[in-house]
Amino acid sequence: GENVEQHPSTLSVQEGDSAVIKCTYSDSASNYFPWYKQELGKGPQLIIDIRSNVGEKKDQRIAVTLNKTAKHFSLHITETQPEDSAVYFCAASMGSWGKLQFGAGTQVVVTP
Amino acid sequence: GAVVSQHPSWVICKSGTSVKIECRSLDFQATTMFWYRQFPKQSLMLMATSNEGSKATYEQGVEKDKFLINHASLTLSTLTVTSAHPEDSSFYICSARRGQGDGSPLHFGNGTRLTVT
Repeated sequence: GENVEQHPSTLSVQEGDSAVIKCTYSDSASNYFPWYKQELGKGPQLIIDIRSNVGEKKDQRIAVTLNKTAKHFSLHITETQPEDSAVYFCAASMGSWGKLQFGAGTQVVVTP
Repeated sequence: GAVVSQHPSWVICKSGTSVKIECRSLDFQATTMFWYRQFPKQSLMLMATSNEGSKATYEQGVEKDKFLINHASLTLSTLTVTSAHPEDSSFYICSARRGQGDGSPLHFGNGTRLTVT
């Protein structure tokens, strides 16, 4: 089955700096890669997703890149703000209808 | 705003009792919902796939007689933890897809914190 690895497990950044989280996946058949943000005591919130026919996608301060050949994808957050502090999960599946396999999560702390 | 509503948000029960958790899709129909379990500082683990009008599909290692899932309508799925024990204490989260076609993202509820004493 699919295996998703996520790094780093924790990430501390200064407000205004950029944050990058990287994930690798094992199943070359996976073609849908969403990113979720989870705040303490809440469910995950979808922040951006990308499909395998696209190499990069951007939404304001958030961007995701995908390298199908290397089987890795990354989340980039620019101009970080304290409210960006949360746990971020990457995931992979075969089609958006497939079962999502989640990475272990990255605790992001943005210090003012 | 939230597209998936989960209730209750937290519950405390005594060992041996059963607890029901509801998951509702708001303003859309969800033929498939998913139930996840999350331990502190860990990732989400899929427990089962809930299909409207049919039996749920459980992941390996998940006891179907302990975690009863009922998806009786297109907007409601319930998870009942039967004969709960302290080791069942966890954060349970449901999710549903908004839309029919490929490319429809998965939305999550806000979770239910279960504490079994």
